[in-house]
Amino acid sequence: QTVVTQEPSFSVSPGGTVTLTCGLSSGSVSTSYYPSWYQQTPGQAPRTLIYSTNTRSSGVPDRFSGSILGNKAALTITGAQADDESDYYCMLYMGGGIVVFGGGTKLTVL
Amino acid sequence: EVQLVESGGGLVKPGGSLRLSCAASGFSFSGYSMNWVRRAPGKGLEWLSSISGGSGYIYSADSVKGRFTISRDNAKNSLFLQMNSLRADDTAVYYCARYSHGDHYWYFDLWGRGTLVTVSS
Repeated sequence: QTVVTQEPSFSVSPGGTVTLTCGLSSGSVSTSYYPSWYQQTPGQAPRTLIYSTNTRSSGVPDRFSGSILGNKAALTITGAQADDESDYYCMLYMGGGIVVFGGGTKLTVL
Repeated sequence: EVQLVESGGGLVKPGGSLRLSCAASGFSFSGYSMNWVRRAPGKGLEWLSSISGGSGYIYSADSVKGRFTISRDNAKNSLFLQMNSLRADDTAVYYCARYSHGDHYWYFDLWGRGTLVTVSS
C-alpha cells in the first residue's frame, strides 16, 4: 500500500521561509503524480493552494510556491505570516481515478 | 455563486446507516467528476470515493469499499454518499469536492464546508 509522507509538524518565524515536503514510502514523487497542496485551518474547509506541482490556484498569493525537490514534491512559503498557521496537505494522483493525501503537516508560525 | 453545500450529517449508532447529500450550484454539475473526502478528529484528510460526470466511472478507497456508495443525480445537481455499517472510526467531517482534471493536472478545485457525522452509541 502506497503511503504519502509529510513532516508531522514544522515551525517558522514570521517573515521566514519554510519548505514542506511530500514523499512516497516507496519510490520518488515526480510531476507525473500531479502533486497538489491544500491548506486547512480548524473548522474550515480545505483551500486549494497549488496544483500540477507548481501552479497556484486562483487568488493564492505568490509567496506560496510548489516544486519538485529531489525525490519529493515541495511547498515553499516565503515571508510567512501569522495566518499561514494551518495544516497543509499534499495529494498525489495514483492513476485509475485514485488520489492519496499525505498525513498533513501542522505549521506553527512563531 | 459557485458552491457546494453538504447536508445529512448527524449522530448515528454503530452499525447504522446515513445518507449524505451535496447540493451543487453555479456550474455545470454534469460536466465534472465529484468526490467525497473526510477528516476524522485528530487525523488528516482522507479521499473516499469519486464518480464521473455521467456516473460511468466510480472509484473508492479500500477503507470504505463495500460499505459506502457514491451516486449522483445530475437533474438535481446533487451528489450523495450512502454509508452503511457505520463504525466509530467513521466519525468525521465529510466534504464534497469537485475534481478538475486534464492531461497534466488532477486536483480538487472546489470544496464544500462539510457535514459532521458522529458514530456513537
